[in-house]
Amino acid sequence: GAVVSQHPSWVICKSGTSVKIECRSLDFQATTMFWYRQFPKQSLMLMATSNEGSKATYEQGVEKDKFLINHASLTLSTLTVTSAHPEDSSFYICSASLRSPLISPQHFGDGTRLSIL
Amino acid sequence: AQSVAQPEDQVNVAEGNPLTVKCTYSVSGNPYLFWYVQYPNRGLQFLLKYITGDNLVKGSYGFEAEFNKSQTSFHLKKPSALVSDSALYFCAVRVEGGYNKLIFGAGTRLAVHP
Repeated sequence: GAVVSQHPSWVICKSGTSVKIECRSLDFQATTMFWYRQFPKQSLMLMATSNEGSKATYEQGVEKDKFLINHASLTLSTLTVTSAHPEDSSFYICSASLRSPLISPQHFGDGTRLSIL
Repeated sequence: AQSVAQPEDQVNVAEGNPLTVKCTYSVSGNPYLFWYVQYPNRGLQFLLKYITGDNLVKGSYGFEAEFNKSQTSFHLKKPSALVSDSALYFCAVRVEGGYNKLIFGAGTRLAVHP
């Protein structure tokens, strides 16, 4: 089956630093990747949709300068949380879709738990 | 606007008993529906989907879901629950157009007791 790898799985860092999270599709080419944020005991909130070779599409209320997304290849998308603060602490999850995403399920990474001190 | 509702925060069931996790949806066009499961500190795993065709969809780990157009429901079911089925379950609907993003329900925590 389709595998999505997300790295790192856990990050603890000081306030003010920037953190990069990688999302890779290991055995398929992902035209579209999605970045979600999940708060404890809550559902997934879509942050942005990332397409290879083009700018990401951010959901309303998500600061694009705060959460930088790059989708440089068909197998890699990165999310950089810039100048992170404690309120950015959360569980971040990426997913990837095949070229025909309408009927294909999204395949999810295992998530990154980000803790800002 | 598309939306998904999971009316139960938690479902408790005894091992060996049948389980149902409820989901209702609202879409403006054809519904493309999905069920995912999430274990602690993990991403989501795909269970099954409804795109078209038979109303009863079979998926992974013995789960199935019944699509009911008149009731706009897509309930997840399993004939005999296992303790290992205990997890967080999400129903989702795909939004047509754009990049076909998913809208998730709030999630239902399934607790299967020995």
